[in-house]
Amino acid sequence: EAQVTQNPRYLITVTGKKLTVTCSQNMNHEYMSWYRQDPGLGLRQIYYSMNVEVTDKGDVPEGYKVSRKEKRNFPLILESPSPNQTSLYFCASQREGLDTQYFGPGTRLTVL
Amino acid sequence: QKEVEQNSGPLSVPEGAIASLNCTYSDRGSQSFFWYRQYSGKSPELIMFIYSNGDKEDGRFTAQLNKASQYVSLLIRDSQPSDSATYLCAANFGNEKLTFGTGTRLTIIP
Repeated sequence: EAQVTQNPRYLITVTGKKLTVTCSQNMNHEYMSWYRQDPGLGLRQIYYSMNVEVTDKGDVPEGYKVSRKEKRNFPLILESPSPNQTSLYFCASQREGLDTQYFGPGTRLTVL
Repeated sequence: QKEVEQNSGPLSVPEGAIASLNCTYSDRGSQSFFWYRQYSGKSPELIMFIYSNGDKEDGRFTAQLNKASQYVSLLIRDSQPSDSATYLCAANFGNEKLTFGTGTRLTIIP
């Protein structure tokens, strides 16, 4: 089954404690993205990757890091989480062309 | 700042009627537009995309694009309770990136 998986699905942590949210896709897609979704602000892109070792900032990259060492994986790293990073996070993947974008199930992060 | 704007709703429509969802965008250079459906607590799923002026139909869904007016809409015919969700409009402003609107919450009343 074609899918995008994220882990963990739910996470409660404290300010400053480094965390990683994993994202994996089994569709051999080149493009992968991370979004955050907040009430009243919609989905905003954090980072995206066009292929292995190629990443670029989205609209809200501050406080986040990503890496793309393998085509299937695109982890999101919060080196020092802060409460304003409390949000619902989605990973997405697509082959070239936006008409094939698939979203993961989401990770609800709470930073205390 | 390139933007996509939607009425947040909620929009209530009787079962069996036509639901009309609207979206405007700020960049005349936008080439492609997307409608996603998101059920509460779930991830967005792509319903339709449209690149050309005019209408595009897929089952009960019709997307309409008017580039001169910078306006894109989604019509849902014969609305069903299962259509109750938040609908997200998105535009491609280039580089395979999407900018999303804040979404319109649609409720179909049985």
